[in-house]
Amino acid sequence: DIQMTQSPSSLSASVGDRVTITCRTSQDIKNYLAWYQQRPGKAPKLLIFAASTLQSGVPSRFSGSGSGTDFTLTISSLQPADAATYFCQNYNTALLLSFGGGTKVEIK
Amino acid sequence: QLQLQESGPGLVKPSETLSLTCSVSGGSMNSDYWTWVRQPPGKGLQWIGHIFHSGGTTYNPSLGGRVFISADPSKKQFSLRLKSVTAADTAIYYCARGATHMIFGLVRFGWFDPWGQGTLVTVSS
Repeated sequence: DIQMTQSPSSLSASVGDRVTITCRTSQDIKNYLAWYQQRPGKAPKLLIFAASTLQSGVPSRFSGSGSGTDFTLTISSLQPADAATYFCQNYNTALLLSFGGGTKVEIK
Repeated sequence: QLQLQESGPGLVKPSETLSLTCSVSGGSMNSDYWTWVRQPPGKGLQWIGHIFHSGGTTYNPSLGGRVFISADPSKKQFSLRLKSVTAADTAIYYCARGATHMIFGLVRFGWFDPWGQGTLVTVSS
């Protein structure tokens, strides 16, 4: 099984701050990684797939990077609407899809 | 715009079978994967399984063979059955479309998009 470790598990930042979330996998998954945003009480929403491709309609302040085992989601200028939990997901194998544990982003 | 909506009982007794249906609107089920994900209250996401548009299924082995997913594209619905439930199966259950991508010329499961709004299922007597 591929283990997925997100860090930090939570963070608090101010509006306008640059925020970085990391996802590390136990095996090389090339660029087969997606990122999701889950606002409180809502379903997850796809932000990024193929590690760095922005889903249509997602604000450009979100960006993704990385390949292999180390990946990053960056919010260039944090907005109040970005208060949410963020999950990474690997799709290197369709036999056991898995998610990271999540990173909760709070606004100071 | 593709939309998904879960429906089914919100309360299931221990040892019984949890049954949910996902209704698809704004598109067809003639391509892609159709999938279930769950989230225990306050916890992370767990992939349950999916069904390909051609009918093939894949399930999370950690669920010990208790899962069955079926689809009826003519009704634009797919369903989840989870047998022998316990309190550990209490969760918000989401249905989602699984987008495809190509690896070495083969179609493979990619990412989840869009998602239904989710439905809370509580296992309790």
